[in-house]
Amino acid sequence: DQQVKQNSPSLSVQEGRISILNCDYTNSMFDYFLWYKKYPAEGPTFLISISSIKDKNEDGRFTVFLNKSAKHLSLHIVPSQPGDSAVYFCAASDYEGGADGLTFGKGTHLIIQP
Amino acid sequence: EAGVTQFPSHSVIEKGQTVTLRCDPISGHDNLYWYRRVMGKEIKFLLHFVKESKQDESGMPNNRFLAERTGGTYSTLKVQPAELEDSGVYFCASSQDGYQETQYFGPGTRLLVL
Repeated sequence: DQQVKQNSPSLSVQEGRISILNCDYTNSMFDYFLWYKKYPAEGPTFLISISSIKDKNEDGRFTVFLNKSAKHLSLHIVPSQPGDSAVYFCAASDYEGGADGLTFGKGTHLIIQP
Repeated sequence: EAGVTQFPSHSVIEKGQTVTLRCDPISGHDNLYWYRRVMGKEIKFLLHFVKESKQDESGMPNNRFLAERTGGTYSTLKVQPAELEDSGVYFCASSQDGYQETQYFGPGTRLLVL
């Protein structure tokens, strides 16, 4: 039973435009959410996170939005660049600062077209 | 500073054989995690070590999997006997303080069981 869902296996966006990656979760205990980026043959690398007490967190071109009532979060990348082409994983945890293992989604393969 | 390293990068074995995966965490990182991604599925948490102790092994699929971390440094994950469904990418991550953002992932070991 998947607790973190990324329903779009892939997404193609033109360079310079906005990329929006979506993630839904089912476990109400999740309180902290993270996005990871993964290039081929590499491990995931942390990108940005958000706590449930916030509805938005911004870091440069990356912004994560959280709608707790809808159990939905999204990652916005603007403007999209060729180097953003990668697989993006949404992950969740019970609380910020915890050392527990993360619960991941299946990932969305983002392709930035020139 | 060297990142998390995993050995081997690829392994192809036959059903019924034994395989041992190794993870060397970043020096000084007490927390070590194993994750697995089966083809097309989410990255799933397997277990978490704090130094040499198993903090959480709730994600281990069955008793064919044995993880050790003798001396609290590197860790091994043994699969014996391997089954077809064990194929996937096994990621190791380490963290010094246990915070989610600071889980640094290795490149993974790609295991194929034939």
